[in-house]
Amino acid sequence: QPVLTQPPSVSGAPGQRVTISCVGSNSNIGAGYHVHWYQQLPGTAPKLLIYGNNNRASGVPARFSGSQSGSSASLAITGLQAEDEAHYYCQSYDNSLSATRLFGGGTKLTVL
Amino acid sequence: EVQLVEAGGGVAQPGGSLRLSCLGSGFTFSNYEMNWVRQAPGKGLEWISYINNIGTTIYYADSVRGRFIVSRDDAQNSLYLQMNNVRAEDTALYFCARGDSTGYYYADIWGQGTLVTVSS
Repeated sequence: QPVLTQPPSVSGAPGQRVTISCVGSNSNIGAGYHVHWYQQLPGTAPKLLIYGNNNRASGVPARFSGSQSGSSASLAITGLQAEDEAHYYCQSYDNSLSATRLFGGGTKLTVL
Repeated sequence: EVQLVEAGGGVAQPGGSLRLSCLGSGFTFSNYEMNWVRQAPGKGLEWISYINNIGTTIYYADSVRGRFIVSRDDAQNSLYLQMNNVRAEDTALYFCARGDSTGYYYADIWGQGTLVTVSS
């Protein structure tokens, strides 16, 4: 069963830079399918953050950026702020899955 | 304002049925693919179903195929999920999500979710 692997948790102090990795395989990211990132604040629905590997969704601050290389992708957050504390999920298309869309397990970002 | 509002959640017994609905507003519903995504308590996101804008292409996750049926009524700007033979592991918050129109396979608008609890 294909997976997108994310670290369960990351943390950083206000103002710092953090990155969240998303490791896939040849049936998803490695096959050239784009990676997208969602932010889920506590008690709320997910919100699109980054689409198409590195495009910020409408209204998303420039502090958030995405990148992709090979079968992996990363979300970077610079100038960390308290309100960035949330769960972050990567997502891609997978050509071996019946549902076709695949989420990473999610990463909890804690702002120290 | 572009919005999705889910309804129909509640408590069902194992083996029972529920029908979820999702009402779209603020956009031309018939132009968009739609999806159902669920989140079990304290867990991550799971994509469970997709339907294209004309209802001719449908996908299901293995976990729900054969038990859940997705449909849409564009005249009512609505998406549906018929949940049959539900199991305890179907307990989750169910989100409807609008598919992107660029072919990148992401969801750009999400509803607030409706909670389904399967318990005897």
